[in-house]
Amino acid sequence: EPEVTQTPSHQVTQMGQEVILRCVPISNHLYFYWYRQILGQKVEFLVSFYNNEISEKSEIFDDQFSVERPDGSNFTLKIRSTKLEDSAMYFCAIRDRGSQPQHFGDGTRLSIL
Amino acid sequence: AQSVTQLDSQVPVFEEAPVELRCNYSSSVSVYLFWYVQYPNQGLQLLLKYLSGSTLVKGINGFEAEFNKSQTSFHLRKPSVHISDTAEYFCAVTAILTGGGNKLTFGTGTQLKVEL
Repeated sequence: EPEVTQTPSHQVTQMGQEVILRCVPISNHLYFYWYRQILGQKVEFLVSFYNNEISEKSEIFDDQFSVERPDGSNFTLKIRSTKLEDSAMYFCAIRDRGSQPQHFGDGTRLSIL
Repeated sequence: AQSVTQLDSQVPVFEEAPVELRCNYSSSVSVYLFWYVQYPNQGLQLLLKYLSGSTLVKGINGFEAEFNKSQTSFHLRKPSVHISDTAEYFCAVTAILTGGGNKLTFGTGTQLKVEL
């Protein structure tokens, strides 16, 4: 049984539109992460989130990206104005404090037209 | 910063043959090491992990890996593969940091193709 569920499984959006990707953990966890995987490429770290704030972000995570836990359970990734190069598989991962590994959701495939 | 190298982008192997997928890493601090498997159109599933202790770790589906600190390697092996092992395999590391977010750094992946 997966520990984290991602919705939607596939999102198709016009370039310039905003998208929100959601991650719902089964139980309460402390560390949250977003990664992306462009088709045929490796998995890349975007951002980590702990105690309701960003703990680390990569160069990819620029001003058009944002994350939050609006209701204390869902963890969301927002892309404000999508670009063609944002097309990728986006993975959410969770981890408990002091434990490894990170557990991944099944991902959201984002297609920008 | 950490980096992970998976030299083999594709590894074809016949069913029931042994296989080794290579992984080397670079880091200025101690790391935890992982292998994840990705089946077509699915997410990342943990195969095995090395955190501490015995350098030979066993994972799911008959896979094992050996941590070699002097060679900074964490090669994945299976003595006899099955058709169902066809998938993409990713090696990943995370720095052992207290209070840190512990992001994962992935290799470029190795596509294992098992043939009859």
